[in-house]
Amino acid sequence: GAVVSQHPSWVICKSGTSVKIECRSLDFQATTMFWYRQFPKQSLMLMATSNEGSKATYEQGVEKDKFLINHASLTLSTLTVTSAHPEDSSFYICSAIGTSGGNKQFFGPGTRLTVL
Amino acid sequence: DAKTTQPPSMDCAEGRAANLPCNHSTISGNEYVYWYRQIHSQGPQYIIHGLKNNETNEMASLIITEDRKSSTLILPHATLRDTAVYYCIVRVANNAGNMLTFGGGTRLMVKP
Repeated sequence: GAVVSQHPSWVICKSGTSVKIECRSLDFQATTMFWYRQFPKQSLMLMATSNEGSKATYEQGVEKDKFLINHASLTLSTLTVTSAHPEDSSFYICSAIGTSGGNKQFFGPGTRLTVL
Repeated sequence: DAKTTQPPSMDCAEGRAANLPCNHSTISGNEYVYWYRQIHSQGPQYIIHGLKNNETNEMASLIITEDRKSSTLILPHATLRDTAVYYCIVRVANNAGNMLTFGGGTRLMVKP
């Protein structure tokens, strides 16, 4: 099956710093990538949808200036959490849809962000 | 996308079949039923999907009622590694821009 990777798998940073998370589709080209956030014991919440070469579409309540998304190629999307604060600590998961495979979404393994 | 309803938790004995129900009474004619699972601290994993016919793959079977208002995911011989949260999602399959909307899911605990 299609593989989606994320880097880093976990990160600890100080409050006020910025953190970049990469999401890559390893063996297919992803026309669309999604970014989710998951707090402990809760379900996944969609943050934004990104299409290669265009601006991301953010869900209501998600600050686009705080969560910068760049989908520069068909295999890479990045999420940058700017000026991170402890309340941004969460599990961030990306997913990708390719041009084949019945439009199934394939998920990355997630990135655990802890902001001190 | 149609809303789904799942029991919050279920237990299953190792080696027995796990039957996970899902209600989706407002499903539209062009919406598929998808099942994903999430093992602790990992990303969701695709299991199976179907429109109206029953489906089977190497992981599970999906039984969809004739009126399509409910479905059941069957893990025929549950193992301890099947302990996870299972999400039932309905979605239009031919629209790549449609994201998956996750509900609460069912937390399946497989016990020895």
